[in-house]
Amino acid sequence: QVQLVESGGGVVQPGRSLRISCAVSGFTFSNYPIHWVRQAPGKGLEWVAGISYDGSKKDYADSVKGRFTISRDNSKNTMYMEMNSLRGEDTAVYYCARGGPHYYEMDVWGQGTTVTVSS
Amino acid sequence: QSALTQPASVSGSPGQSITISCTGISSDVGGYNYVSWYQQHPGKAPKLIIYEVNNRPSGVPDRFSASKSGNTASLTISGLQAEDESDYYCCSYRSRIYVFGSGTKVTVL
Repeated sequence: QVQLVESGGGVVQPGRSLRISCAVSGFTFSNYPIHWVRQAPGKGLEWVAGISYDGSKKDYADSVKGRFTISRDNSKNTMYMEMNSLRGEDTAVYYCARGGPHYYEMDVWGQGTTVTVSS
Repeated sequence: QSALTQPASVSGSPGQSITISCTGISSDVGGYNYVSWYQQHPGKAPKLIIYEVNNRPSGVPDRFSASKSGNTASLTISGLQAEDESDYYCCSYRSRIYVFGSGTKVTVL
């Protein structure tokens, strides 16, 4: 079945870096855009970044622009997000989500990976 | 990027209908028919329940319906059931980025 599995979360000190991954199965990865959405503890959803099906277009929320970089390896069915200069406000559950067949919705979500920025 | 505005909470009795509003601006909700809605139960990943303003994915009950007028989108749950108790988020495309609503907690009395 269609599945997205995030990994790589953990505890990291402020100012340090972390890379999280999203491995997919059950569909043709190279046909779909993928997004990262995060949720801080007790808070709402926040779109973080998105990448086109072929990796040629990448977009970011203002809150992470210049610090986070999204990429994908279609040969490995995996998407990545490199997070640099991490701040306390980046603490959240990070979900990857598939851009749906109508493009502008997120139709399948992973279970999330937790990133905690703390000294 | 400011979040779309939703009421913090809405409640209703089983069988009743409730409506959740989602207010944005002309650059997002008002400018595109790319509003989606997500249901999120505690500790779970969000689930898509509406896409492109008023379309339901396969498997979503038809008691969920949605619409848009100007800069405000709305989600209606008819025939409220106990399992509908959850958090609900709207989301709109805004020129290469996406913005989520602040979220609404639906309580079934």
